Amino acid sequence: DAGVTQSPTHLIKTRGQQVTLRCSPKSGHDTVSWYQQALGQGPQFIFQYYEEEERQRGNFPDRFSGHQFPNYSSELNVNALLLGDSALYLCASSNRGEEETQYFGPGTRLLVL
Amino acid sequence: AQTVTQSQPEMSVQEAETVTLSCTYDTSESDYYLFWYKQPPSRQMILVIRQEAYKQQNATENRFSVNFQKAAKSFSLKISDSQLGDAAMYFCAYIDGNQFYFGTGTSLTVIP
Repeated sequence: DAGVTQSPTHLIKTRGQQVTLRCSPKSGHDTVSWYQQALGQGPQFIFQYYEEEERQRGNFPDRFSGHQFPNYSSELNVNALLLGDSALYLCASSNRGEEETQYFGPGTRLLVL
Repeated sequence: AQTVTQSQPEMSVQEAETVTLSCTYDTSESDYYLFWYKQPPSRQMILVIRQEAYKQQNATENRFSVNFQKAAKSFSLKISDSQLGDAAMYFCAYIDGNQFYFGTGTSLTVIP
């Protein structure tokens, strides 16, 4: 039973570029949430996807967007990258209505130069 | 606004000893969940223990237990018989609907 997987593990981009991060949820899960974890901080909620739609969003600008596919996998897109977007991006999966049981992936470390 | 506060940025404990990590939170809800997550250098967030607010009894998972004081909005984690593998960042978290709110973390060092 595969857990939550994320790709790539590391990524280096330059300011102004765009990036796409990917997440495959744990088998049997239908909901994916994305978090940004800056160095030395706790994760901050970006948004959640269920049934291929964004269901809830944290306090992040529109430069952050996402997508969920019919197989429940998800992408996080960030446009016009800023130095402050450098962080660990975590994906978590759960079943709708059971968000108290979220499983986290290993994260993607993004460095913006 | 929901907030989670961890007032101890760093803690250390001797191997085999007991350590307590503190957490306070703020919510207007009456029913909710609280969590402690462990994040080792590998970065993967691992659930340590979970507490449902409507349950009076403190949750326990092997060497890990919590002291949940609902009125005081306090949720501390006690690690007994500390092991070298317990060294990690520990995050207290609260869930409101679909969204987790995390504290800033406590870095735990275990001294051999």
